[in-house]
Amino acid sequence: EAQVTQNPRYLITVTGKKLTVTCSQNMNHEYMSWYRQDPGLGLRQIYYSMNVEVTDKGDVPEGYKVSRKEKRNFPLILESPSPNQTSLYFCASGIQGGETQYFGPGTRLLVL
Amino acid sequence: GQSLEQPSEVTAVEGAIVQINCTYQTSGFYGLSWYQQHDGGAPTFLSYNGLDGLEETGRFSSFLSRSDSYGYLLLQELQMKDSASYFCAVPPGSGGYQKVTFGTGTKLQVIP
Repeated sequence: EAQVTQNPRYLITVTGKKLTVTCSQNMNHEYMSWYRQDPGLGLRQIYYSMNVEVTDKGDVPEGYKVSRKEKRNFPLILESPSPNQTSLYFCASGIQGGETQYFGPGTRLLVL
Repeated sequence: GQSLEQPSEVTAVEGAIVQINCTYQTSGFYGLSWYQQHDGGAPTFLSYNGLDGLEETGRFSSFLSRSDSYGYLLLQELQMKDSASYFCAVPPGSGGYQKVTFGTGTKLQVIP
C-alpha cells in the first residue's frame, strides 16, 4: 500500500529535550516536506526536500532541523523544543513538480 | 511571498451546491491544488488546475482564472460526509520555485 508513515503519532515532552519525528514514504517520491498546522493558521511549510541531500527552508523553519540521507526518509528534529512548537505536524511527499502531495497521518506534539 | 485567501467558514444544506473561493497573490505560480481535511485527519488531495478553466472529478469541480488570480472548488449534491475543511494550495513547481503555500482553509458545515 502506497503511504506516508510518521512516528510517533502523539508525543508529550518538556522544554529543551531533543526529539525526532520520523517520516517515511514508499512511493519513491523525490519531494518531501514538513508542515505544522495550528488553529486559524492553516498548514505552514517548515522544510522541504527536492531529493537526497537537498533541503531548503519553508516559511517557518526556526527551531527545526531536517535531513534527507535516503530518498524514503525525512526526519524532523527539534533540538530544543519550546512550548510555541506545540502543534500538529504533517509529513508529505510528492512527485517533484507535481500537483499532488500525499500526507502522513500527523504527529500531535505537546511541549510543556 | 505568497498568500492565499479563503473564507473561514461556509454552511450549506445537504443536496445543495456550494462554492469555496480562493484568491491568491504568488510568485512562481504553477497551478492550484485543493485538499480536503476531516477533523482529526490528514489532508487528502482533491483536485488540481494547471490551466485556466474547469476540471471535474465526480461531484467535485475546480476552476482557475489566472488573469483574476482566483480559483474555486465546487461541491455538488452535498452529503453530510463532505463536512470538512478545504484548503487551496500552490504546489511545488518544476524548476525554480519549490515551496508550497496553503490557504488558511474553509470549514464547510453541511446541515440536513
